[in-house]
Amino acid sequence: QQPVQSPQAVILREGEDAVINCSSSKALYSVHWYRQKHGEAPVFLMILLKGGEQKGHDKISASFNEKKQQSSLYLTASQLSYSGTYFCGTEMDSSYKLIFGSGTRLLVRP
Amino acid sequence: DVKVTQSSRYLVKRTGEKVFLECVQDMDHENMFWYRQDPGLGLRLIYFSYDVKMKEKGDIPEGYSVSREKKERFSLILESASTNQTSMYLCASRPLGGNTEAFFGQGTRLTVV
Repeated sequence: QQPVQSPQAVILREGEDAVINCSSSKALYSVHWYRQKHGEAPVFLMILLKGGEQKGHDKISASFNEKKQQSSLYLTASQLSYSGTYFCGTEMDSSYKLIFGSGTRLLVRP
Repeated sequence: DVKVTQSSRYLVKRTGEKVFLECVQDMDHENMFWYRQDPGLGLRLIYFSYDVKMKEKGDIPEGYSVSREKKERFSLILESASTNQTSMYLCASRPLGGNTEAFFGQGTRLTVV
């Protein structure tokens, strides 16, 4: 069952912040985040394992709340290069089966 | 660099044809996936393979089958293509390990007419 992402779309000005949420109705083993630019393959951003950890990558970070079965991706001081569609991928167990959400389209304008 | 190669970038087929989409990865990954990408629906898992000859259905397997005879190659088969199978198809591979990422191919845009 697909995780639910919100919002579906967001438009930002350069330098603004954004939060993308991902929630599941089932217990999660891990959450992945990927970004896909138009006409390109999705590219890995980060993975969070159960345990409620938080990770960061430059000005993009994420948290994973295992109890709430939710993850959030934080984009700080957005850059034009952040534009694209963001997908969260979830694993229910350690089987490697990865289920993605419907995506969040992010547009950063000058 | 890991490379996941899909045999065709664009494909046009007729309704009722048997269609093969091929995917090859060069990094000896155990896990391979086929996803379908449609606007507003995200990436939906069609089939997943965790080893040679091993497969597991995803969320939308109806109308599709898969074949994995060799570790590096994972084929998606549309037994009798229909217009509602017009879509972008993405293949991915992923190694073993608790925190490993998936690597995606460039996608095949299939149009069934």
